[in-house]
Amino acid sequence: AQSVTQPDIHITVSEGASLELRCNYSYGATPYLFWYVQSPGQGLQLLLKYFSGDTLVQGIKGFEAEFKRSQSSFNLRKPSVHWSDAAEYFCAVGAGDYKLSFGAGTTVTVRA
Amino acid sequence: GAGVSQSPRYKVAKRGQDVALRCDPISGHVSLFWYQQALGQGPEFLTYFQNEAQLDKSGLPSDRFFAERPEGSVSTLKIQRTQQEDSAVYLCASSLDLAGGPEQFFGPGTRLTVL
Repeated sequence: AQSVTQPDIHITVSEGASLELRCNYSYGATPYLFWYVQSPGQGLQLLLKYFSGDTLVQGIKGFEAEFKRSQSSFNLRKPSVHWSDAAEYFCAVGAGDYKLSFGAGTTVTVRA
Repeated sequence: GAGVSQSPRYKVAKRGQDVALRCDPISGHVSLFWYQQALGQGPEFLTYFQNEAQLDKSGLPSDRFFAERPEGSVSTLKIQRTQQEDSAVYLCASSLDLAGGPEQFFGPGTRLTVL
């Protein structure tokens, strides 16, 4: 069974600074990979996804992520964060079936 | 519809009460999923439907949990004799079909509080 680890529980970043959120997965083959964002009281919004092909994927809101097979990682990045980026971020793995396995999430706080 | 909708958004139940949570998936989406998200955790899979068929219910925590999708569109998650440990956000998601890739679209969730 697949699993996901998000090593950072909480990250604080200054507005305008860069952001990187880490995600490591465990799965025997190449999985489907996703990053979702959840604002308080809201559902999950898909930021970006990787199924195959180019390992650097672009998403909404200026986010990008890079799939590194050798490191079993799918880290999320944003060059310059905005106050509205404060939220909880979840990495998820799908393994060709229908279930998604989620990490525990990383809470991002943006300071002025 | 424009997105996945869930009702009610908030539900408070006394321990021992039965509750029913509703999910309206995106029109035309074949697959429907329920997840449970405990406070401070990521969502965890509960059950999966393809049209009206419940193909996997392995994530349901106990036999007090029951889900149905009788006409292949709207789904209801029912929890009988609620316990405090059932307090969580219940998320519903739908996807077009697996052939199109496993991208799931999530609703806003129902926050269940059991007193």
